[in-house]
Amino acid sequence: NAGVTQTPKFRVLKTGQSMTLLCAQDMNHEYMYWYRQDPGMGLRLIHYSVGEGTTAKGEVPDGYNVSRLKKQNFLLGLESAAPSQTSVYFCASSGQGTYSPLHFGNGTRLTVT
Amino acid sequence: SQQGEEDPQALSIQEGENATMNCSYKTSINNLQWYRQNSGRGLVHLILIRSNEREKHSGRLRVTLDTSKKSSSLLITASRAADTASYFCATEGQAGTALIFGKGTTLSVSS
Repeated sequence: NAGVTQTPKFRVLKTGQSMTLLCAQDMNHEYMYWYRQDPGMGLRLIHYSVGEGTTAKGEVPDGYNVSRLKKQNFLLGLESAAPSQTSVYFCASSGQGTYSPLHFGNGTRLTVT
Repeated sequence: SQQGEEDPQALSIQEGENATMNCSYKTSINNLQWYRQNSGRGLVHLILIRSNEREKHSGRLRVTLDTSKKSSSLLITASRAADTASYFCATEGQAGTALIFGKGTTLSVSS
């Protein structure tokens, strides 16, 4: 039972390059989320999805785009990477309903030079 | 802006001692959750307390919630070296919005 899987685990980009982070979950969860974690800032919500084909903005959406074409996958895209996007990115999923806890992947460490 | 704020930012204790972490939040909530993060790993859900609950237990964990003060505490009893990790509170607003996390408390338990 894999849970939430993120690929890649590490990536180094140059300013202006683009990339896509992939999140896959095998728990048939409706909701999926992308967070970024920076030292001293905790986790901040970038975008989330409450079902296949839906997306919504979180606290810090600028510079990112997302897509949820399949229920089990949630993609996070950086069209033109900036050094300020150097961070650890976490994907999470949860079942439908108010009292469903989040299940996290192990993160993608992204460095933009 | 972040909803929850943990206190203290860092806590160092000896094995066998109790560890208490606090979380304050700003707006009305549906529930409050605590998560744990080991170094280099994703967060793991520990316990959820609903807005109409005042206290909840799970093994060595005890969580309290005071909605009048907009605060919660996480108590870990008889700490072990393996409890060394960062602990985060997260709140879900009454509108059913996505979880918002605090900045975390880093707990170090030495043997």
